[in-house]
Amino acid sequence: DSGVTQTPKHLITATGQRVTLRCSPRSGDLSVYWYQQSLDQGLQFLIQYYNGEERAKGNILERFSAQQFPDLHSELNLSSLELGDSALYFCASSVEGRVYNEQFFGPGTRLTVL
Amino acid sequence: KNEVEQSPQNLTAQEGEFITINCSYSVGISALHWLQQHPGGGIVSLFMLSSGKKKHGRLIATINIQEKHSSLHITASHPRDSAVYICAGKTGNQFYFGTGTSLTVIP
Repeated sequence: DSGVTQTPKHLITATGQRVTLRCSPRSGDLSVYWYQQSLDQGLQFLIQYYNGEERAKGNILERFSAQQFPDLHSELNLSSLELGDSALYFCASSVEGRVYNEQFFGPGTRLTVL
Repeated sequence: KNEVEQSPQNLTAQEGEFITINCSYSVGISALHWLQQHPGGGIVSLFMLSSGKKKHGRLIATINIQEKHSSLHITASHPRDSAVYICAGKTGNQFYFGTGTSLTVIP
């Protein structure tokens, strides 16, 4: 158990819908990272937050957005969903935002878009 | 061409064998991450390194920044090491992931 929690574990929805994925980092970790893992693209970095502020942005679509709240939990919002958005979404946390800090991964949310 | 390449893609070993997984990258990176993904999907961070060598139990990771190459070694492999091993490099604000090496260790 990494100490990072993600909800829900599974999510099934339809094209065009909007969903919110939630991540609670390990106690004391200020940085949260979001990743997408699909069968054809592998793991991709989406976005990083550090202490409430966006720190780095990867291949995140404009239909996706994220935020980190004062209690440090983070939410990833996916809207106008398409079939290709079906994937495993992981969040990870680390103590600080520096690149060489070890990241601890949550169990992931499996999103299926029908 | 991927910025990060791993080899081999698939690897089958007998229990007890010494295993090496390679990661080469074409971009300058500030750190490299080795991850282990279990058959159930969970991801565990194994190492984050920017130079030299790190060891944890039977796992050893090395990196040569000049040659843009990292290796993950598993000594005395065990069936519970069966997993997908993924390397990832960070450059600027981007993370680049390899496609993973699927390792199966046979008893």
